Amino acid sequence: AQKVTQAQTEISVVEKEDVTLDCVYETRDTTYYLFWYKQPPSGELVFLIRRNSFDEQNEISGRYSWNFQKSTSSFNFTITASQVVDSAVYFCALNVYGTASKLTFGTGTRLQVTL
Amino acid sequence: DARVTQTPRHKVTEMGQEVTMRCQPILGHNTVFWYRQTMMQGLELLAYFRNRAPLDDSGMPKDRFSAEMPDATLATLKIQPSEPRDSAVYFCASGFSASGVGETQYFGPGTRLLVL
Repeated sequence: AQKVTQAQTEISVVEKEDVTLDCVYETRDTTYYLFWYKQPPSGELVFLIRRNSFDEQNEISGRYSWNFQKSTSSFNFTITASQVVDSAVYFCALNVYGTASKLTFGTGTRLQVTL
Repeated sequence: DARVTQTPRHKVTEMGQEVTMRCQPILGHNTVFWYRQTMMQGLELLAYFRNRAPLDDSGMPKDRFSAEMPDATLATLKIQPSEPRDSAVYFCASGFSASGVGETQYFGPGTRLLVL
């Protein structure tokens, strides 16, 4: 069985601070895909990134960066110089090869960025 | 900017009534998913389709829920009869998969359902 753990339920930071959201996953499969989604107060789930298990290269997109480490089964997400618009719930998700297209979601981390 | 669309965005109904939610996937996508989100259970996969064929509906209460894809541009989720415990946000998502796994799922805005 696969599992995604987002141990941080809620994080509060002041604008311009850097913040890292943790994601730890469990699977026995060697082929899998990891995702991050953002759910702002408006409610829609917005896709941020997709990573496959064979690509451990870290990725940077503007103020967002992702650190994928297979050795620790983690796929952490860092926001640099946070802004109020980053306030949202962030979900990490896992798709394992043997489960077709099913996504296993973590419980989410609520990020609150204040002025 | 291609998006998944869902109607209605909000629905308030009384217990026992039929509820139909509709989803238009992104053109060209071949997989469609239905999720339910509640505070208690988080995001749950109810059912999904590939090339309009149902692949998995194990997450759906079979006695009252049904999901269909009448054509490639429309997916429907019906609840009959509705119950207060069905109150939730229902999301539709679509994606394209050539290999049967790993596709990015793009979510619609959701239907917020309240059953009184």
